[in-house]
Amino acid sequence: GQNIDQPTEMTATEGAIVQINCTYQTSGFNGLFWYQQHAGEAPTFLSYNVLDGLEEKGRFSSFLSRSKGYSYLLLKELQMKDSASYLCAVSFWMDSSYKLIFGSGTRLLVRP
Amino acid sequence: GAGVSQSPSNKVTEKGKDVELRCDPISGHTALYWYRQSLGQGLEFLIYFQGNSAPDKSGLPSDRFSAERTGGSVSTLTIQRTQQEDSAVYLCASSPSRRGGRETQYFGPGTRLLVL
Repeated sequence: GQNIDQPTEMTATEGAIVQINCTYQTSGFNGLFWYQQHAGEAPTFLSYNVLDGLEEKGRFSSFLSRSKGYSYLLLKELQMKDSASYLCAVSFWMDSSYKLIFGSGTRLLVRP
Repeated sequence: GAGVSQSPSNKVTEKGKDVELRCDPISGHTALYWYRQSLGQGLEFLIYFQGNSAPDKSGLPSDRFSAERTGGSVSTLTIQRTQQEDSAVYLCASSPSRRGGRETQYFGPGTRLLVL
């Protein structure tokens, strides 16, 4: 079966750094996405990784290791507005179609 | 429009009634997706459209669920004989095309459905 695991909740302090991990087991791999979702709002795209390594985009970075089925999202200089859920999603090919499955999300609470 | 829009934003219905949810994708986007999100859960894939055709309906949970897309634009998701377990947020997303499964999806604000 296909599976994505993320921690349910994390708490961090404003100005600090937090790392949100994601592990996956899928029948194939065509890329991994991170989305941010504030409470009551739609998910918004943060990053996409298809090759191993670190992709940096401002305060946010995303890392991928395909051999380990592992990714993390790194948030630096945390701000209160970063309090949100962070969804990991994996794209893969199955049954003659690309599939995109989402993890349950990690709720991040940033405290002053 | 500037983004994906969905209507209604909230819908309360009685068990057994039919509901229709509407999605207006970003103009020019050929790919359209429907997802369901229960409280505190991740996104559950329902159906994917490329133009007006639906090459992947594998996520529809039962034959009470159906969707169509006309003119390569607006899509409606219909739930017949609603059940309480259908209560969730229904999210629509669109992308410019289906680039080998690597496309970024742009999400609408969702329709919050409550079945009493």
